[in-house]
Amino acid sequence: GENVEQHPSTLSVQEGDSAVIKCTYSDSASNYFPWYKQELGKRPQLIIDIRSNVGEKKDQRIAVTLNKTAKHFSLHITETQPEDSAVYFCAASNGHAGGGADGLTFGKGTHLIIQP
Amino acid sequence: DSGVTQTPKHLITATGQRVTLRCSPRSGDLSVYWYQQSLDQGLQFLIHYYNGEERAKGNILERFSAQQFPDLHSELNLSSLELGDSALYFCASSVGSAPYNSPLHFGNGTRLTVT
Repeated sequence: GENVEQHPSTLSVQEGDSAVIKCTYSDSASNYFPWYKQELGKRPQLIIDIRSNVGEKKDQRIAVTLNKTAKHFSLHITETQPEDSAVYFCAASNGHAGGGADGLTFGKGTHLIIQP
Repeated sequence: DSGVTQTPKHLITATGQRVTLRCSPRSGDLSVYWYQQSLDQGLQFLIHYYNGEERAKGNILERFSAQQFPDLHSELNLSSLELGDSALYFCASSVGSAPYNSPLHFGNGTRLTVT
């Protein structure tokens, strides 16, 4: 099955700086890569996702890049703010309508700390 | 609010007991996924149902079972509970049968404590 590795486990950055979280996956058939943000005691919330037919996607201060050849994808947060402090999870799936619809395989998470 | 409802919010029970966790998906969603979140294992996929049928199984123990009913709500049954089953159990729902074309939306979870 799919295996997703996520680094670093903890990331501390100064407010206003950029943060980068990296993930690698093992299954070359994986085609969908979402990122979830989980605040303490709350549910994971989807913040951005990318499909295998594109290499980069941006949404305001967050962006995700995908390198299918190397089987890795990254989350980039620019101009970090205190409310960005949370645990971020990457995930991968090789599911598609009609078959192979297994669940998302998650990385173990990155605790992002924004220092004031 | 994601629109996914999980009950109960908290559950405390003893080893050896059996519990049932309930999930109501967002209106219109046909898929229900169950995940277990513990401190050292992150989010572990347990099982996926689509429109009443089991679609995929992950790391679900034989002591655990689930089903999705005709009204699309789902229940996760955990039996012969052990201390290690203490975790946060999340349900997620989506419209379609696969994450690729149908992002998952998570409920607020059920925190299970086994004593």
